[in-house]
Amino acid sequence: GAGVSQSPSNKVTEKGKDVELRCDPISGHTALYWYRQSLGQGLEFLIYFQGNSAPDKSGLPSDRFSAERTGGSVSTLTIQRTQQEDSAVYLCASSLEGWLTGKDGYTFGSGTRLTVV
Amino acid sequence: QKEVEQNSGPLSVPEGAIASLNCTYSDRGSQSFFWYRQYSGKSPELIMSIYSNGDKEDGRFTAQLNKASQYVSLLIRDSQPSDSATYLCAAQSGGSYIPTFGRGTSLIVHP
Repeated sequence: GAGVSQSPSNKVTEKGKDVELRCDPISGHTALYWYRQSLGQGLEFLIYFQGNSAPDKSGLPSDRFSAERTGGSVSTLTIQRTQQEDSAVYLCASSLEGWLTGKDGYTFGSGTRLTVV
Repeated sequence: QKEVEQNSGPLSVPEGAIASLNCTYSDRGSQSFFWYRQYSGKSPELIMSIYSNGDKEDGRFTAQLNKASQYVSLLIRDSQPSDSATYLCAAQSGGSYIPTFGRGTSLIVHP
């Protein structure tokens, strides 16, 4: 596609429910990242996928968070048993190749605003 | 722990002036540096990248890097109200695929 597509754009969920957030990266981009941005806070790295390699999950804040990437393209971030502190904007980004972000930077999607009530 | 520090602002400048945004980083192994612009309610967009000491110019934007001082800045010439946004600085170490982002500086350009 022309850009990084994320869905839904907004999600309101009740505490304790599970949610799934979707990211469709730019076609041909092998690297995919998930970040979280809370109000007034910086970008918090969550997880990184590069091609068919094992993902870097070092940023996931708890075992309630998981992500997968199917066929090297679309990714789903799942948050189980949501808590109020999970409320944030979840941003997906992709780049042509992970190591090339040292030269090219990312293209971000428009994000999913998650509100846990 | 790798850190990127930015003054949160807001930095307020009049239209037509030069806006100077600053950023320091802790990791001496950082080799790539980025400036992203984020409008309120929108996602960040890459506006400049710099890898070598000195200045890099792109239109009204100039990025400046001083690795000895671990300092990177962004100058915006002839500032416009449409430049009003939060500017995020990011630093990436050699061999790493995950940049560290600062919290951003809010810029307000008033007519």
